[in-house]
Amino acid sequence: DAGVIQSPRHEVTEMGQEVTLRCKPISGHNSLFWYRQTMMRGLELLIYFNNNVPIDDSGMPEDRFSAKMPNASFSTLKIQPSEPRDSAVYFCASRARVNYGYTFGSGTRLTVV
Amino acid sequence: AQSVTQPDIHITVSEGASLELRCNYSYGATPYLFWYVQSPGQGLQLLLKYFSGDTLVQGIKGFEAEFKRSQSSFNLRKPSVHWSDAAEYFCAVYGGATNKLIFGTGTLLAVQP
Repeated sequence: DAGVIQSPRHEVTEMGQEVTLRCKPISGHNSLFWYRQTMMRGLELLIYFNNNVPIDDSGMPEDRFSAKMPNASFSTLKIQPSEPRDSAVYFCASRARVNYGYTFGSGTRLTVV
Repeated sequence: AQSVTQPDIHITVSEGASLELRCNYSYGATPYLFWYVQSPGQGLQLLLKYFSGDTLVQGIKGFEAEFKRSQSSFNLRKPSVHWSDAAEYFCAVYGGATNKLIFGTGTLLAVQP
């Protein structure tokens, strides 16, 4: 089991550019979560999917953020246009069932300059 | 609403000493509780979880946690800390109605030689 795979590991981009973060959940997991981690705010849940369907996107900070899950093995988080305050570590996590803990990816460290 | 409080932002212990990290939760029903560890530059790794039954749960890396309903606590313990335990530790509660894992703000553990 390769675990939750995120790419890229690091991303540096200029303000105003589009950024796409990618996540491959563990095979068989039916829930996927996107988190953002910063020193100021800690871990924030941005959005989560059940069976590829977005269930709760109340944590998405602005319309500049969007997430998709076209199939059970792939999800993207897009920021367009990016801003310096979007700089953070973005984690993807997946879960098989309610009473199992989440499995986290290694994260993508995003720096917007 | 469900919430998790980790009152200690930063703790320093000597290698070989015992450790207890505090976690208090707020949840109306029987909670699902978790402890995660995050090493620098890494994602979150599940240490242990409590769903029901025995209130003392064993986890990986020699950690254990005790669920105390009367105190709304789920403290993490280790009898003898190793230098490799230096990391940030997160307590989390599963909020059933919201279908979300709610994290505390974390406790950063430093280990002195």
